[in-house]
Amino acid sequence: GQNIDQPTEMTATEGAIVQINCTYQTSGFNGLFWYQQHAGEAPTFLSYNVLDGLEEKGRFSSFLSRSKGYSYLLLKELQMKDSASYLCAVLDSNYQLIWGAGTKLIIKP
Amino acid sequence: GAVVSQHPSWVICKSGTSVKIECRSLDFQATTMFWYRQFPKQSLMLMATSNEGSKATYEQGVEKDKFLINHASLTLSTLTVTSAHPEDSSFYICSARDQGGSQPQHFGDGTRLSIL
Repeated sequence: GQNIDQPTEMTATEGAIVQINCTYQTSGFNGLFWYQQHAGEAPTFLSYNVLDGLEEKGRFSSFLSRSKGYSYLLLKELQMKDSASYLCAVLDSNYQLIWGAGTKLIIKP
Repeated sequence: GAVVSQHPSWVICKSGTSVKIECRSLDFQATTMFWYRQFPKQSLMLMATSNEGSKATYEQGVEKDKFLINHASLTLSTLTVTSAHPEDSSFYICSARDQGGSQPQHFGDGTRLSIL
């Protein structure tokens, strides 16, 4: 079956760095997405990785290793507004998006 | 770019009412649109995939006669919850994808549906 694993919840301190991991086992791979979802709101697109390596976008970076079935989202200089759920999603061989359950990130002052 | 508009944002109505939710891609053509449902503190659940000009593909366990989907144009898809009951109360979110399977899905703001 298809499976995406990410931690349920993480806590970090304002100004710090946090890494949210995602491992996946899917039938084929056409890319991996990270989305941010604030409570009560719809998800917003953060990043897309299809090749191995690190993609940097401001305070957020996303890494992919296809051979390991592994990705992480790195958030630097954490701000209180970064408190949200972060969703990992993989595009399988049929271009179906398989969603992880999300990681709730709590930022403390 | 890539803006998706979803209306209404909030609906409160009596049991037995049918509710229509619209999803529009404002600055791109969406060959494929998706409808999700999310209960409090739970993950997104895909209900159906809608392709322009053809019948929607429903996920297992989703009643197609209960949740009617129409994707009449490349910029508009609608979800109608027919004869809604309190257990249908949820957060419904649409997303749209530009042409190309590897394009990201862009989400509307969601519709919070409360059935009394």
